[in-house]
Amino acid sequence: LAKTTQPISMDSYEGQEVNITCSHNNIATNDYITWYQQFPSQGPRFIIQGYKTKVTNEVASLFIPADRKSSTLSLPRVSLSDTAVYYCLVGDIENNAGNMLTFGGGTRLMVKP
Amino acid sequence: GAVVSQHPSWVICKSGTSVKIECRSLDFQATTMFWYRQFPKQSLMLMATSNEGSKATYEQGVEKDKFLINHASLTLSTLTVTSAHPEDSSFYICSATGTSSYEQYFGPGTRLTVT
Repeated sequence: LAKTTQPISMDSYEGQEVNITCSHNNIATNDYITWYQQFPSQGPRFIIQGYKTKVTNEVASLFIPADRKSSTLSLPRVSLSDTAVYYCLVGDIENNAGNMLTFGGGTRLMVKP
Repeated sequence: GAVVSQHPSWVICKSGTSVKIECRSLDFQATTMFWYRQFPKQSLMLMATSNEGSKATYEQGVEKDKFLINHASLTLSTLTVTSAHPEDSSFYICSATGTSSYEQYFGPGTRLTVT
């Protein structure tokens, strides 16, 4: 199973760019990488998903190197409301089982004024 | 985007009683629904996977006779915690996937407190 490893916590300040890296050394060929955001007492919210290279949407970018053994979620110009826990999940999205449903410890991001 | 709701958002029950939590997909048909449990300051733990019209598949260590899951329609799954005990107090979250997307859509969660 492709286990993920993330930093437990990160601190940042408003307006800064935040990069959260996730390691997934034994990612499989069919695996995609998905990032979720979770606020206290709420369900996770989908942020971004990718397979290789770079993916960008209106809230974040996802950088995936050629070997796909890691990925970096980039949040541009964070605000206080971005304080949350961020989870990286790796798995075969066409087979919704196993890894895609295994949440790691997540990264607790604290944005300070 | 697709919306998943849960009801109730919070519930307090006495030890020994049963409580039912509903998970609904509001604007799409959910072929598969998932139930998670999350304790304070911890990550989400998958409890079970349910497909419409069939029995749920439980993760190792989850008692299927205690956590009854019913997925009777393509828009509704229920989790019943039977004979609840204080250690069952947790945040229960459901998610769903549809027929046209592989994305998991999460509900807002239900806070269960057993006294």
